[in-house]
Amino acid sequence: DIQMTQSPSSLSASVGDRVTITCQASREIALYLNWYQQKPGKAPKLLIFDASHLVTGVPSRFSGSGSETHFTFTISSLQPEDVATYYCQQYDNLPSFTFGPGTKVEI
Amino acid sequence: QVQLQESGPGLVKPSETLSLTCSVSSGSMSSSYWTWIRRPPGKGLEWIGNIYYTGTTSYNPSLKSRVTISADASRSLFSLRLSSVTAADTAVYYCARITYDGPPGDYSYYMDVWGKGATVTVSS
Repeated sequence: DIQMTQSPSSLSASVGDRVTITCQASREIALYLNWYQQKPGKAPKLLIFDASHLVTGVPSRFSGSGSETHFTFTISSLQPEDVATYYCQQYDNLPSFTFGPGTKVEI
Repeated sequence: QVQLQESGPGLVKPSETLSLTCSVSSGSMSSSYWTWIRRPPGKGLEWIGNIYYTGTTSYNPSLKSRVTISADASRSLFSLRLSSVTAADTAVYYCARITYDGPPGDYSYYMDVWGKGATVTVSS
């Protein structure tokens, strides 16, 4: 099984700050990594697929990078509406999917 | 745009079977995978399993012995059954669509449409 870890587990930042979340896979997964945002009381929302591809309509302040075992998710300028928990998800060993434990972002 | 809606009992007794249905509207179930995800209180997202529109299924190994996912494309719905539930199965359960896209042999897979979620509590 592929294990996913995320750091930090939570963070608090100010409006306008640059926020970075890292996601590590227990083995190489190429670019098979997606990022989701889950706001309180809401369903998760896909933000980025294949490590760095921004979903249409998602603000450009969100970005992703990385490959194989190390991935990064960045919010370039944190906004109040970005308060949420962010999850990475791998799909290298289809048809299974694995989520990271999540990173809670607060202001 | 495809929309998903979960339905089913919000309270299930320990040792009984949890049953949820996801209704798919404004779109076809063809050429897509469909999945169930859950989020226990205070914890993260957990993938439960998938079903392809043809009926092929795959399950999380940690739940495989208790999970059955089925689909009825003619009625535009798919279902989750989780047997022998305990308090640890208390969670918000989401259904979602898995889209695969790109050149054959190098598809991207992502969960792009989600239901709003159904809260299920396991308690006597």
